[in-house]
Amino acid sequence: SQTIHQWPATLVQPVGSPLSLECTVEGTSNPNLYWYRQAAGRGLQLLFYSVGIGQISSEVPQNLSASRPQDRQFILSSKKLLLSDSGFYLCAWSVQGARTDTQYFGPGTRLTVL
Amino acid sequence: KNQVEQSPQSLIILEGKNCTLQCNYTVSPFSNLRWYKQDTGRGPVSLTIMTFSENTKSNGRYTATLDADTKQSSLHITASQLSDSASYICVVSASGGSYIPTFGRGTSLIVHP
Repeated sequence: SQTIHQWPATLVQPVGSPLSLECTVEGTSNPNLYWYRQAAGRGLQLLFYSVGIGQISSEVPQNLSASRPQDRQFILSSKKLLLSDSGFYLCAWSVQGARTDTQYFGPGTRLTVL
Repeated sequence: KNQVEQSPQSLIILEGKNCTLQCNYTVSPFSNLRWYKQDTGRGPVSLTIMTFSENTKSNGRYTATLDADTKQSSLHITASQLSDSASYICVVSASGGSYIPTFGRGTSLIVHP
């Protein structure tokens, strides 16, 4: 069966510090991968998605970046965090080319920038 | 522009009661519609998925309906339980190879004993 891992589960960082969140998927190959952010009381905002190694598409301009160094690894980074980067970050995967492209979400990372 | 609107924004019901959540969408061309349940502090989990030809799909006490003509969906929860307290998110995908579904903002459901 497929599983998706995210770490850390919670993170408190000062403004201006760097960020690295990691997501890995097990039990599937060549998945689509996604990073979402969910602000308190708000809906999910798509940040990045990837259809393959080294292929990253950004949905919104921001001070975050994403990388996919391996097929089942997706990393969200920032060189300098802003207060507005606080939120709940979710990684998700879906099957490439599937007609019913259900997304499977990880447990999330709660990021607080102080 | 593809959009998904959900109502109500929040809902409080007593344990054992039924409730219905609504989802209207403008995503075109339509491929499929999913309902997710998101517990507080957790990732969303898929409840149901419906394609164009399906108008009802059940998953235990959850029943989703789809009217592709009016572009509306509903999620009916029967005999609610305390564990149903969560956010319910409607997600619609377009056909044509897009990898990006459109998410609604969700309905926050609180079930009181």
